[in-house]
Amino acid sequence: ETGVTQSPTHLIKTRGQQVTLRCSSQSGHNTVSWYQQALGQGPQFIFQYYREEENGRGNFPPRFSGLQFPNYSSELNVNALELDDSALYLCASSYPAGADIQYFGAGTRLSVL
Amino acid sequence: DAKTTQPPSMDCAEGRAANLPCNHSTISGNEYVYWYRQIHSQGPQYIIHGLKNNETNEMASLIITEDRKSSTLILPHATLRDTAVYYCIVRAHGSGNTGKLIFGQGTTLQVKP
Repeated sequence: ETGVTQSPTHLIKTRGQQVTLRCSSQSGHNTVSWYQQALGQGPQFIFQYYREEENGRGNFPPRFSGLQFPNYSSELNVNALELDDSALYLCASSYPAGADIQYFGAGTRLSVL
Repeated sequence: DAKTTQPPSMDCAEGRAANLPCNHSTISGNEYVYWYRQIHSQGPQYIIHGLKNNETNEMASLIITEDRKSSTLILPHATLRDTAVYYCIVRAHGSGNTGKLIFGQGTTLQVKP
């Protein structure tokens, strides 16, 4: 149990729709990272938020966007959903001092039909 | 961040030690070796990390070669619950580095009764 919670656990959308995924950080952590994990692959870094500002982004198009709130919880928004967006979306929180160990939630499984 | 190479799969008998190798021949002097694992349908879980000295915690031991080009994660007494995908990751610490973890394909460890 990491203390990182994600909602919803499962979601089904159709192509072209928009989706918002939510993440609640572990207490005391001010940094949130989001990852996409396609079936059979390792997680791929989408972006990270530190103190409400984007602090690094992976190779994902602008229709993937995020927010971090003053309580350090976070949202991942995906616009104009495509079939290839079907994946497990993982959120990880950390406190980047030294080791920067990341604590992952169980993820949101998104299916785009 | 340096790239890592791991065998795609390994088997281990329950109660025996599991030794998972990782090659990171291009590792830089300021990069640490991290290990995470992902049990089916869960988010990745931090196991251990190290720079150049061997490390041990309640979960595992990490042996890093003197030239730092490879490492081995050791689970001393594997149980069925250790069946998972194990990821070896190298990354630097410091304020200039985001929390981006680069996951490869990992090693699927199957612990058998």
